[in-house]
Amino acid sequence: AQKVTQAQTEISVVEKEDVTLDCVYETRDTTYYLFWYKQPPSGELVFLIRRNSFDEQNEISGRYSWNFQKSTSSFNFTITASQVVDSAVYFCALEGQIQGAQKLVFGQGTRLTINP
Amino acid sequence: KAGVTQTPRYLIKTRGQQVTLSCSPISGHRSVSWYQQTPGQGLQFLFEYFSETQRNKGNFPGRFSGRQFSNSRSEMNVSTLELGDSALYLCASFRSQGAPDTQYFGPGTRLTVL
Repeated sequence: AQKVTQAQTEISVVEKEDVTLDCVYETRDTTYYLFWYKQPPSGELVFLIRRNSFDEQNEISGRYSWNFQKSTSSFNFTITASQVVDSAVYFCALEGQIQGAQKLVFGQGTRLTINP
Repeated sequence: KAGVTQTPRYLIKTRGQQVTLSCSPISGHRSVSWYQQTPGQGLQFLFEYFSETQRNKGNFPGRFSGRQFSNSRSEMNVSTLELGDSALYLCASFRSQGAPDTQYFGPGTRLTVL
């Protein structure tokens, strides 16, 4: 079975602080994909990043960075110099293929509040 | 390129009624998947369609059904609504060409069952 755990239910920081959102996953698949999505109050899930299980390189995109470590089954997300607009619920998700079909398994989400 | 669209955005129904939600995928995307989001259960997979065929189904009762049309648009139907069906229903589309593709989500339909 596949499982994603986001242990941090809510995080609140002051603007300009750095913040890391944790994600731990479980899967028996050798090939799998990890994702982060952002859900602002409007409700739409906004895609942030996708990483496959063979690529452990860390990635940086502006103020966002991701740390993928297979040894600890973790895929953490860091926001540097946070801004109020970063306030949202963030979801980590895992996907494997089942006979060609795709299915995302989501964590419970972390509600991030950036205070001015 | 237009994103995934879902209609209606909001719905209020009463117990026992049925409801149909619609999803139009991104142009060129052939697969559509549906997810239910509730405060208690989080985001849960409902089903996935590709070329008008259901390829995968989540652990939901038979009251939840869906279909996909030849233009890749999809509908999901919930019959005999229960209070617990109140949720945000999200649709996602992707290309589905070989390797797993990123799923792009629509704004969702918020269903309230009274």
